[in-house]
Amino acid sequence: GAVVSQHPSRVICKSGTSVKIECRSLDFQATTMFWYRQFPKQSLMLMATSNEGSKATYEQGVEKDKFLINHASLTLSTLTVTSAHPEDSSFYICSARTGQGNTEAFFGQGTRLTVV
Amino acid sequence: SQQGEEDPQALSIQEGENATMNCSYKTSINNLQWYRQNSGRGLVHLILIRSNEREKHSGRLRVTLDTSKKSSSLLITASRAADTASYFCATDHSGTYKYIFGTGTRLKVLA
Repeated sequence: GAVVSQHPSRVICKSGTSVKIECRSLDFQATTMFWYRQFPKQSLMLMATSNEGSKATYEQGVEKDKFLINHASLTLSTLTVTSAHPEDSSFYICSARTGQGNTEAFFGQGTRLTVV
Repeated sequence: SQQGEEDPQALSIQEGENATMNCSYKTSINNLQWYRQNSGRGLVHLILIRSNEREKHSGRLRVTLDTSKKSSSLLITASRAADTASYFCATDHSGTYKYIFGTGTRLKVLA
């Protein structure tokens, strides 16, 4: 299957700083990318959907000014957690799909963010 | 919330037994996928079943889909200790093309 690379796999940052997570589709063009967050022992919650060249669509309850998403090219989407706080510590996973309809989504390996 | 429900939330079985997990969802879908996640790790894709399919097999895995009941099941036969993980269904919703995950089933296979 297609490969989605997510970087970094782990990051520790201080409260108040910003962290950028990259999601790249390595061998296909991803028209749509998704960002999920997963707290311990819970399921993945969709945060936002990003389409190349347009603004991301955020799910209800997700602060768009705190979680900045940029999908500047068909192979790269970034999630920036701004002014991070300990409660932002979580596992963040991106997903990319080649098109709409009956196409499979491919997932990155996730980024574990710890805010101290 | 659009999130799907999975049951059971947790399942503990002996090695060699079969494990069945169920997923229910709320709206029309294009396809449904099952994933495995080991503790603290990324997702491993297991099977994709499309809305016009009723059953798929892959090795020891069997997935069924009943769109009239908006439900799917994942059967793992002859389970092994290495199958211990969390299992999630993810539904691709018609119209929005978002993948929404179920609540997950934590499977523990005892050696």
